[in-house]
Amino acid sequence: DTAVSQTPKYLVTQMGNDKSIKCEQNLGHDTMYWYKQDSKKFLKIMFSYNNKELIINETVPNRFSPKSPDKAHLNLHINSLELGDSAVYFCASSHGLQGRLDNEQFFGPGTRLTVL
Amino acid sequence: GESVGLHLPTLSVQEGDNSIINCAYSNSASDYFIWYKQESGKGPQFIIDIRSNMDKRQGQRVTVLLNKTVKHLSLQIAATQPGDSAVYFCAEITVRGAQKLVFGQGTRLTINP
Repeated sequence: DTAVSQTPKYLVTQMGNDKSIKCEQNLGHDTMYWYKQDSKKFLKIMFSYNNKELIINETVPNRFSPKSPDKAHLNLHINSLELGDSAVYFCASSHGLQGRLDNEQFFGPGTRLTVL
Repeated sequence: GESVGLHLPTLSVQEGDNSIINCAYSNSASDYFIWYKQESGKGPQFIIDIRSNMDKRQGQRVTVLLNKTVKHLSLQIAATQPGDSAVYFCAEITVRGAQKLVFGQGTRLTINP
């Protein structure tokens, strides 16, 4: 009964490859997010989608392309992977837009991406 | 020696003691603040929140204090338990403008038996 799930949990790949991370939420939320957490544990938002529409795009390289086939899914595709992309990527979801008060975000378990 | 910034700020407390984790936030226009707990290998988990028009809010064993004058937020955990060991993050939201959750630097809390 996982609320926000991500696959895979670990992803090890070579520079230059293209990879995808999948996220699904079964909470009936309208908004989903992708965050990146670096080696210093700094957590920063990358994207948010509300009802399948892009709301926030935080100056992320266009090698990163989120795709939301429906409200329950937000996948992250990364082209031409670079060493600096190594991080833990977290998906999250909430009922409404991020800026609303009392709008708790629920996070997935994370995907640790290692680029060699 | 170690360089500042390579490691998270760390707080070690004895089991059963109270702990206080501090956070300085950046945006005086932030409307809402949240504390998250992140255990090893897991995603952040909501602990407690506070609106900008409040200065204190209490939950179960946790209290958040907000000082808007100095833009400071603290999380107090009473009677710490081994399960409290985690990295704790404060986060702020501004409802107007960018409308995004901005996380502060985390603090690693270690509970000693």
